[in-house]
Amino acid sequence: GQQLNQSPQSMFIQEGEDVSMNCTSSSIFNTWLWYKQEPGEGPVLLIALYKAGELTSNGRLTAQFGITRKDSFLNISASIPSDVGIYFCAGPRYGGATNKLIFGTGTLLAVQP
Amino acid sequence: SAVISQKPSRDICQRGTSLTIQCQVDSQVTMMFWYRQQPGQSLTLIATANQGSEATYESGFVIDKFPISRPNLTFSTLTVSNMSPEDSSIYLCSVTLFGEQFFGPGTRLTVL
Repeated sequence: GQQLNQSPQSMFIQEGEDVSMNCTSSSIFNTWLWYKQEPGEGPVLLIALYKAGELTSNGRLTAQFGITRKDSFLNISASIPSDVGIYFCAGPRYGGATNKLIFGTGTLLAVQP
Repeated sequence: SAVISQKPSRDICQRGTSLTIQCQVDSQVTMMFWYRQQPGQSLTLIATANQGSEATYESGFVIDKFPISRPNLTFSTLTVSNMSPEDSSIYLCSVTLFGEQFFGPGTRLTVL
C-alpha cells in the first residue's frame, strides 16, 4: 500500500540554523502537501505543490516537488523557536482527490533559543 | 479559512464504554473527514462523512466500531464504541474549503 516515509525522524537545532527534511514514497503522487502540527492542535497547511519540479516558498519555508514525483523536500531557513512542531508531508490517497489524505511519518523539530 | 471546534477536547474513559466526539465547523461543507492519530504516530483517515448519506469507511475501520452521524452541513459526530486501551488516540475532524484541508484541534482520548 501507499506509504510516505519522512526523514529525519527528529531534529534538535539551534535558533538561526537552516533545516532540511524530506519525504519519499514508493508510489507516484500528483500533489504534495506539507503540514505543521503544534501540540494540542490539528495540522495546518504550510505549502502545497502540484507539479513535478515545482519549487514554492512561503516566507522562510521552501518546498520542492521531486522530478520523479516520488519525493518532496521542505527547507526552513533561519529557524526560530516558534518553528517547533511536527512537520508532516501528505498526499492524496491512491491518486484521488486531495481531501482524502495519506500522511507521512512526521519530522519532529525542536529549536533551542 | 475554516474554524473547526471539537468537543470534548480530551477525555479519560473506561474500557468497554463509548464516547461520542462532536465536530462543528463555521462554514457549510459537503464532506467532513475523521482521522485518528495514535500516540507518536501520523494521521490515518477513518472515514468520510457526507450529509444525507452513510459514511464511507477506510480499510481497517468499520461502522460498528466508529459510527458517524452527519445531520447537517456544519456538524458531525464520531463515536468510538466498546473502547479498549488500543483506542487511545487523538481523533481529528477535517473539512475541505476552497480546495484546502482544515483540521480541528483534535480530541485526545485515553482509555484505561
